[in-house]
Amino acid sequence: DAGVIQSPRHEVTEMGQEVTLRCKPISGHDYLFWYRQTMMRGLELLIYFNNNVPIDDSGMPEDRFSAKMPNASFSTLKIQPSEPRDSAVYFCASSFSEYEQYFGPGTRLTVT
Amino acid sequence: GQSLEQPSEVTAVEGAIVQINCTYQTSGFYGLSWYQQHDGGAPTFLSYNGLDGLEETGRFSSFLSRSDSYGYLLLQELQMKDSASYFCAVRENLDTGRRALTFGSGTRLQVQP
Repeated sequence: DAGVIQSPRHEVTEMGQEVTLRCKPISGHDYLFWYRQTMMRGLELLIYFNNNVPIDDSGMPEDRFSAKMPNASFSTLKIQPSEPRDSAVYFCASSFSEYEQYFGPGTRLTVT
Repeated sequence: GQSLEQPSEVTAVEGAIVQINCTYQTSGFYGLSWYQQHDGGAPTFLSYNGLDGLEETGRFSSFLSRSDSYGYLLLQELQMKDSASYFCAVRENLDTGRRALTFGSGTRLQVQP
């Protein structure tokens, strides 16, 4: 298996633009997680899905952030409009359980 | 709410043994996981303790004491490639009944020759 796949790996955009991050989980995993990592705030859970259904989105910072999982093999995290404070590394992870998660390589987002 | 505490940085020499401690305060505790992250890389799963005691996986071991709200990761026969950040993460039941994994702020381990 190729592992969790994320795209793009790097994204540089201007403030106010829409950003869409993509994730393909490991086949067969029924949990999918979106995290954000910064030096200041560490690794934060944004939202997670179980069997394509959002279970907990309490970590989503504000209405500018939205996530979807239309099927078992694809998820998106969208930021609209983006702001400089959204600059971070965004990780997608998938798993059979909450405690043993497999992380993708991450998307490094820079908003100028 | 929940909180996890782990040292921000630890330094050790190649071949030595190092212990990274993690204390937590949370309701609905379910278990403790450990992850490793190299600079520029993604977190990778190391171990999980759902019950009290020691779990061993090669050079790495992890321990949990529920009564003390405490766990540690033990790395033996340190190698230069073990230089990385190590995160403890609490698996907990939220007030909503849902389970989630909350990560600590990480311990940066530097292995010196």
